Amino acid sequence: GAGVSQSPSNKVTEKGKDVELRCDPISGHTALYWYRQSLGQGLEFLIYFQGNSAPDKSGLPSDRFSAERTGGSVSTLTIQRTQQEDSAVYLCASSPDREAGNTIYFGEGSWLTVV
Amino acid sequence: GESVGLHLPTLSVQEGDNSIINCAYSNSASDYFIWYKQESGKGPQFIIDIRSNMDKRQGQRVTVLLNKTVKHLSLQIAATQPGDSAVYFCAASGGSYIPTFGRGTSLIVHP
Repeated sequence: GAGVSQSPSNKVTEKGKDVELRCDPISGHTALYWYRQSLGQGLEFLIYFQGNSAPDKSGLPSDRFSAERTGGSVSTLTIQRTQQEDSAVYLCASSPDREAGNTIYFGEGSWLTVV
Repeated sequence: GESVGLHLPTLSVQEGDNSIINCAYSNSASDYFIWYKQESGKGPQFIIDIRSNMDKRQGQRVTVLLNKTVKHLSLQIAATQPGDSAVYFCAASGGSYIPTFGRGTSLIVHP
């Protein structure tokens, strides 16, 4: 597709369950980002992948959060033992190489509700 | 680390007026700045960007101004329309390739 694709668009899960959120970046983009946006808040950085380099995980809030990127394309964000405070919109974005200006393009987000 | 903040959480304007949304950043090493628009239920959409070697850049009905001396940037929207109603975020990056976002200003356009 032309843009960043995320699935599921909405997810309601019970506290304590694990969830997986998927991101399919723009074709050819080497950088991929995950951000979290709580209701009425700004965007909180979670993790950054660039090509084959080790990801920057400095934004992950706890060890319940992890992400992987397979084959330099699709990424999965996993939240284990979900808590109510994990309820938020999880936004994925991608960008071309740094030389392209580092403009990042977002998907529509995965809305996670933990009940 | 970088922190980015917006001056006003909400801005109300009349249709046809010009809107100015302000943003401040903390890291003097920041060299690339982006404005995003986020409509309800959607992801942020790129509007316009500017590099630190410029102090002004214009797009269609939008202008971004950068003042590196006071670490401030603004987004000006000319002839604001109801379709401009959204939350606007600024983001700054430099050194790190990871943009840091402000908390957003909600623009409300009254017909």
